[in-house]
Amino acid sequence: TQLLEQSPQFLSIQEGENLTVYCNSSSVFSSLQWYRQEPGEGPVLLVTVVTGGEVKKLKRLTFQFGDARKDSSLHITAAQPGDTGLYLCAGPETSGSRLTFGEGTQLTVNP
Amino acid sequence: SAVISQKPSRDICQRGTSLTIQCQVDSQVTMMFWYRQQPGQSLTLIATANQGSEATYESGFVIDKFPISRPNLTFSTLTVSNLSPEDSSIYLCSVRQTYNSPLHFGNGTRLTVT
Repeated sequence: TQLLEQSPQFLSIQEGENLTVYCNSSSVFSSLQWYRQEPGEGPVLLVTVVTGGEVKKLKRLTFQFGDARKDSSLHITAAQPGDTGLYLCAGPETSGSRLTFGEGTQLTVNP
Repeated sequence: SAVISQKPSRDICQRGTSLTIQCQVDSQVTMMFWYRQQPGQSLTLIATANQGSEATYESGFVIDKFPISRPNLTFSTLTVSNLSPEDSSIYLCSVRQTYNSPLHFGNGTRLTVT
């Protein structure tokens, strides 16, 4: 079974601060996805990283895929209350159609 | 991307009863899944809903407790049977078109068992 470990599990910061969320595995993934979930809604895809070493930016969010494709990070610059939510990393299992999800990071940005 | 309508959005049920959750997609999709999630926590896959055949269940989930139907490529139901308070959770329908495509989720059904 391919596991994804996410850290930190909880993060509470003030508006304007920067933060990084980590997603690590001992297994190689062909790609990794990041989702954000707000209360009362399903997770929504933010980005997919495919190439080792790849960096993708989505406004104030920067996603990086490790060179060995075993880990990924999400960095948020100047966090805003609208960034509050549950962030989940996920990767496709090598066998079958399932996705493995990390444990999630609950982010709260206080105004 | 697919638009997914999940019903009901929430329900409160008594112990011993059953709840059926519906998932309607606005386009034909290859893969449909049912997940369970405790608020603020990660997702646990219950089963893959297979069109025209029995669902594929994950370890710890059985058909008698979680019967699933998928009569066509746009619709599926999940029933949670013989409810107990431990079944209180959020249940999410999700779809994918290919092995490499992302998951799209419904807004979930928040179930409370009293």
